[in-house]
Amino acid sequence: GAGVSQTPSNKVTEKGKYVELRCDPISGHTALYWYRQSLGQGPEFLIYFQGTGAADDSGLPNDRFFAVRPEGSVSTLKIQRTERGDSAVYLCASSLGGQPGNTIYFGEGSWLTVV
Amino acid sequence: AQSVTQLDSQVPVFEEAPVELRCNYSSSVSVYLFWYVQYPNQGLQLLLKYLSGSTLVESINGFEAEFNKSQTSFHLRKPSVHISDTAEYFCAAVDTGRRALTFGSGTRLQVQP
Repeated sequence: GAGVSQTPSNKVTEKGKYVELRCDPISGHTALYWYRQSLGQGPEFLIYFQGTGAADDSGLPNDRFFAVRPEGSVSTLKIQRTERGDSAVYLCASSLGGQPGNTIYFGEGSWLTVV
Repeated sequence: AQSVTQLDSQVPVFEEAPVELRCNYSSSVSVYLFWYVQYPNQGLQLLLKYLSGSTLVESINGFEAEFNKSQTSFHLRKPSVHISDTAEYFCAAVDTGRRALTFGSGTRLQVQP
């Protein structure tokens, strides 16, 4: 597609439920990133994929969070046993290569609300 | 980068006035620096970046930022703002050996007529 696509755009879930957020990066982009943005804050890094593998998952807050990218394109962020503190905008981004200076293109985000 | 600080959460300014959005970073290694902009109801877009070379970098819409290593700053400036510049601006840094961007908390630029 023309840009990074994220679904759903909005998700309301009950505390304790399981949630999946999907990201479709720009075609041909090998690097994919997940960030989380809470109200009034800047985006916070979660995980970085180069191809199919998670090259850096140091930002995942705990073992309730997991992400996959099985075919090196679409990625899914999975959150188990959601808590109210997980409410945030989850941003996906992609870049053509994995070099830190490459331009990173962001999607519009998935707004997650845990009630 | 260990941290990125944007001291001003909001900057109100009149149209055609100059503006400076401040950004300071801390890191024990070399960094690349970025400014991203988020217009209302849109995703983050790269405005400009500093990787190496000239310390002054410019965007296509008249913004510029200067990398100052001694002051660990990367302030964003525009000599004359437009209503359409109203947006949230985020400064970000990445250590040259890593991929994870560290963002500041953002500055909301509000341009008034």
